[in-house]
Amino acid sequence: NAGVTQTPKFQVLKTGQSMTLQCAQDMNHEYMSWYRQDPGMGLRLIHYSVGAGITDQGEVPNGYNVSRSTTEDFPLRLLSAAPSQTSVYFCASSYSPVSYEQYFGPGTRLTVT
Amino acid sequence: GENVEQHPSTLSVQEGDSAVIKCTYSDSASNYFPWYKQELGKRPQLIIDIRSNVGEKKDQRIAVTLNKTAKHFSLHITETQPEDSAVYFCAPEIIQGAQKLVFGQGTRLTINP
Repeated sequence: NAGVTQTPKFQVLKTGQSMTLQCAQDMNHEYMSWYRQDPGMGLRLIHYSVGAGITDQGEVPNGYNVSRSTTEDFPLRLLSAAPSQTSVYFCASSYSPVSYEQYFGPGTRLTVT
Repeated sequence: GENVEQHPSTLSVQEGDSAVIKCTYSDSASNYFPWYKQELGKRPQLIIDIRSNVGEKKDQRIAVTLNKTAKHFSLHITETQPEDSAVYFCAPEIIQGAQKLVFGQGTRLTINP
C-alpha cells in the first residue's frame, strides 16, 4: 500500500493564482481531512469528509474548497491564493469515525508571493 | 467549545531523564485521546492513544494517563533518548457539533546529551 500520497511536494504561487492540492489514499478509509501547519500554530483543520459526497468545514475553511467524489481522493482547491495561505498542508485519512489513527501524507509546502 | 491546550510549549531534559506533557480539553463527551510525534521535516505519526474506558496505557518507554473528570491527559516518556527530540501533539476527539480531531499547539521536546 502507498498509504496517503500528496502532490505536489512544493509549490510557489503568485497572489491571486488558483491551484489544487491532490490527496489520495489506498486504504479504503472513509474519513479524510486537510490540515495546515504554521510555525507555532500546531495543525489546524481546514475541511474534512466522512465519506464520498460528504464534506464539512473545519476551523479555518475560508479561501479553500474541497470535494469528495470518490473514497480515494480528496483534493483541496485554493481559488485565489493569498500570502496568508503560505503554509505546509497535510492530508490525513482514517477509518470512520475519527477515533482511530490518522495516517498523514508527506505534506505540501506552499509559498504564496 | 473546542479548547485544547498543551503544556509546556517547549521542554528540555537531560538524556535518561523523564518528560511529561499535559493536554487539557473542554469536550466532556470525548472518548479518544491520541498523541502524535512529528520529527523535523516529517509528517505527524501516532505514537500512543487511549480510550476513555481505561486510565492508563503503556508501550515500552511511553505511557499515556487519562483523567476524564478533570478533562486532561498526559504523555510520559521515560529514559529519554536523543531520538525522542521532536514536536508532540495531543489531538482529543471532539464530539460536540461534528466528530473530528482538534490538535493542540504542540510541545517541542529537546533531549540534551
